[in-house]
Amino acid sequence: DGGITQSPKYLFRKEGQNVTLSCEQNLNHDAMYWYRQDPGQGLRLIYYSQIVNDFQKGDIAEGYSVSREKKESFPLTVTSAQKNPTAFYLCASSTAGGGADTQYFGPGTRLTVL
Amino acid sequence: AQSVAQPEDQVNVAEGNPLTVKCTYSVSGNPYLFWYVQYPNRGLQFLLKYITGDNLVKGSYGFEAEFNKSQTSFHLKKPSALVSDSALYFCAVRDQAGTALIFGKGTTLSVSS
Repeated sequence: DGGITQSPKYLFRKEGQNVTLSCEQNLNHDAMYWYRQDPGQGLRLIYYSQIVNDFQKGDIAEGYSVSREKKESFPLTVTSAQKNPTAFYLCASSTAGGGADTQYFGPGTRLTVL
Repeated sequence: AQSVAQPEDQVNVAEGNPLTVKCTYSVSGNPYLFWYVQYPNRGLQFLLKYITGDNLVKGSYGFEAEFNKSQTSFHLKKPSALVSDSALYFCAVRDQAGTALIFGKGTTLSVSS
C-alpha cells in the first residue's frame, strides 16, 4: 500500500447523494486507475488516466466521474446515477501505463449506500 | 478479447504442504502476467510478474509462478505453505498493446495448521 493513500477508509452515502473518494500518490507515477471490487467478481476498471488532464473510461464508467488536475491526485465521484454503488473501491498507480508496467494499489475505500 | 480464468474459488492446504493456485489466460499475442494477493479489507499487494524469458518467475514471500505458453497458464506456487499465506489471490493479464489489467475473479487460499 505504501505511497498510495485513499480516504476515507469507510464511507456511507444516502441514496441520491454524490460522494467523492480521494486517491493520492507520492510515487511520481504518470498513470492512475480506479477499480471496483464486488465479492466473487474480481476487479473491474472504472476509469484510468495516463497523463494530467486526460482520462479514459473503463468497463463500468456509467454513474462515475473523475478528474486529473494534478499528477498526484485522481479523485473519483460516485454520482446518484450509479444504481448499485455499494462496493470496495481501489485506486492504483503505475509508472506509465501499459506494457510490463506494474500497478500498485492503495488500501481501498468501502462505500455503503444506506 | 483478453480474459483470465481462475478455475478454483477456494484452495485448501495444510501448513507445510506445497500449494498451487491456478490461472489460465487468453490474449492476442504475447502476454504480460501478474499475481497479486489481498488480505481482508486491504488493497492488493504485488507478488510477481512474467514479462519474457525464463518460464519460472520468483516473487515475494517465497512465491513463484510457472508460465506455460502451450497451455496458456500461469499457476502460482509455493513449496511450503504458511498459515499467514491465507488470503485472496488474483491473477491478471495485459497484452502488449493494452493499458488496463484484466483480473480473474480471485481464489481464496486457506492454509490450516
